[in-house]
Amino acid sequence: SQTIHQWPATLVQPVGSPLSLECTVEGTSNPNLYWYRQAAGRGLQLLFYSVGIGQISSEVPQNLSASRPQDRQFILSSKKLLLSDSGFYLCAWYASGSVDEQFFGPGTRLTVL
Amino acid sequence: AQTVTQSQPEMSVQEAETVTLSCTYDTSESDYYLFWYKQPPSRQMILVIRQEAYKQQNATENRFSVNFQKAAKSFSLKISDSQLGDAAMYFCAYWGRLQGGSEKLVFGKGTKLTVNP
Repeated sequence: SQTIHQWPATLVQPVGSPLSLECTVEGTSNPNLYWYRQAAGRGLQLLFYSVGIGQISSEVPQNLSASRPQDRQFILSSKKLLLSDSGFYLCAWYASGSVDEQFFGPGTRLTVL
Repeated sequence: AQTVTQSQPEMSVQEAETVTLSCTYDTSESDYYLFWYKQPPSRQMILVIRQEAYKQQNATENRFSVNFQKAAKSFSLKISDSQLGDAAMYFCAYWGRLQGGSEKLVFGKGTKLTVNP
């Protein structure tokens, strides 16, 4: 069965510090991968998506970047965090060509102080 | 661009009663998918129910059912016999195509459901 992991689960970082959040998927190959951010009391905003290794598309201009160094690994990064980067970050995947379901990871709660 | 609107930020229901959560969307596509996701306090996103736009029959999953009105672009979720465990944020989502052919989920802002004992 497929499993999606995210770490860390929680993170508290000072403004201006770097960020690296990791997402890995097991049990599938060539998944489409997504990074979402959920600000407090709001819905999910799509940040990045990837249809393959090294292929990254950004949905909104922001302080963050994403990379996909391996088929089942998706990384969200920042060189210098802003206060507005605080939120709950969710990684998700679905099998390309299928619309059965988009599977979500457990999420990372990021607090920037 | 596709948009999803949930006009009820918060709803409450008595245990064992029925509640309906509203969702409207905007799209120019004719073939698409709609979803309701549940996010309990654990923040894990859980798929509740899925509807294919080409199917006229409303989807049902046990106590959960939808009222899909394609012409009106409306997709409401009905929860029957509400249970305490149903308390959560509920998100309506539209599955649409991005530029370049990939797909994405467009989410509404959510409805917080409280179940009163």
